[in-house]
Amino acid sequence: ETGVTQSPTHLIKTRGQQVTLRCSSQSGHNTVSWYQQALGQGPQFIFQYYREEENGRGNFPPRFSGLQFPNYSSELNVNALELDDSALYLCASSLDFSGNTIYFGEGSWLTVV
Amino acid sequence: QQQVKQSPQSLIVQKGGISIINCAYENTAFDYFPWYQQFPGKGPALLIAIRPDVSEKKEGRFTISFNKSAKQFSLHIMDSQPGDSATYFCAAELKYNFNKFYFGSGTKLNVKP
Repeated sequence: ETGVTQSPTHLIKTRGQQVTLRCSSQSGHNTVSWYQQALGQGPQFIFQYYREEENGRGNFPPRFSGLQFPNYSSELNVNALELDDSALYLCASSLDFSGNTIYFGEGSWLTVV
Repeated sequence: QQQVKQSPQSLIVQKGGISIINCAYENTAFDYFPWYQQFPGKGPALLIAIRPDVSEKKEGRFTISFNKSAKQFSLHIMDSQPGDSATYFCAAELKYNFNKFYFGSGTKLNVKP
């Protein structure tokens, strides 16, 4: 139990739709990172938020966007869904970004049909 | 282009045996190398990590061996147990890019009783 909770756990969307995934970070953690894990692959870094500001972005198009709220919870939004967006989306929280230990939630499984 | 290459893709080991998973990287700006363990339906969890200023780190049955000149590192699981059956990911972090990890593609380990 990492204390990082994500919702929903599973969802199915149609190509072209929009989706919002939510993450509640571990208590006291002010940094949230999002990763995409395709089936049979390792996680890929999407972006990171530190104290409500984006703090780095991986190689993902602008239709992937995020937010971090004052309580440090976070949202990942994906617009214009494509079939290749089908994956497990993982949220990870950390206490600042100095300790190198990130704690992952169990993820949200997104299927795009 | 995969920044961290991991092998083998899958591994079967008898109980009590040694499991060895290898990773290689090219970017010499990486300066932190963690290994994550992921069980089905769960997010990855930090297992053990190393920095390039040491050649080996041991925690219980888990050892990382690091070869800076060859740009390779490996995870050794001694006395492998059925409970170790999981997918293992190596990862790497660029200096000053805290908690933004590049993951390998994963190794599915099956420890036979």
